[in-house]
Amino acid sequence: GEDVEQSLFLSVREGDSSVINCTYTDSSSTYLYWYKQEPGAGLQLLTYIFSNMDMKQDQRLTVLLNKKDKHLSLRIADTQTGDSAIYFCAENRVQAGTALIFGKGTTLSVSS
Amino acid sequence: DTEVTQTPKHLVMGMTNKKSLKCEQHMGHRAMYWYKQKAKKPPELMFVYSYEKLSINESVPSRFSPECPNSSLLNLHLHALQPEDSALYLCASRASGGLSYNEQFFGPGTRLTVL
Repeated sequence: GEDVEQSLFLSVREGDSSVINCTYTDSSSTYLYWYKQEPGAGLQLLTYIFSNMDMKQDQRLTVLLNKKDKHLSLRIADTQTGDSAIYFCAENRVQAGTALIFGKGTTLSVSS
Repeated sequence: DTEVTQTPKHLVMGMTNKKSLKCEQHMGHRAMYWYKQKAKKPPELMFVYSYEKLSINESVPSRFSPECPNSSLLNLHLHALQPEDSALYLCASRASGGLSYNEQFFGPGTRLTVL
């Protein structure tokens, strides 16, 4: 299938906002997800958004969805060193049994 | 119980060994998935089971053989693996394969090393 695209690296200072971008491919995806993975750990679901929504806010996290451009972003406010991890966006692909198709991941590095 | 368990956590095997990975969930989920994740790469879909039947095989080599003996269990049988098969193997389950929101729950994974 086609790739879900993400920028590979993002470096920010503690306290700043981080914005991670993603372009997905399947316009029939009903949900889009953001997962966090710390080194050596499993996947942690951060948040998700229904495809008919434009925005979803959950504490420090804001998800923006532009369905026309198939563009998804995750904003982390007041980024902390504990936010350093790889962030994957994912779409549920109906043709794949609604399995998740992941982007390549963005490595977020937060410096103090 | 909203947990997917996987055993073993770590596995080291030789290229001539036969081993199995096990995944279990007791949430009544009828869709179960195997993903493979290489270091610093995204998880890649391997297999999808829906109502205990294999519905999707993403062109996975036959040295990987999935099995779903019942609605709670998913196995991945390994035979004659190659060193490049070393990876984190993730199992996931979901309430159904439908379009309504059902969270896909991931297990912690089995970290496999093939010598």
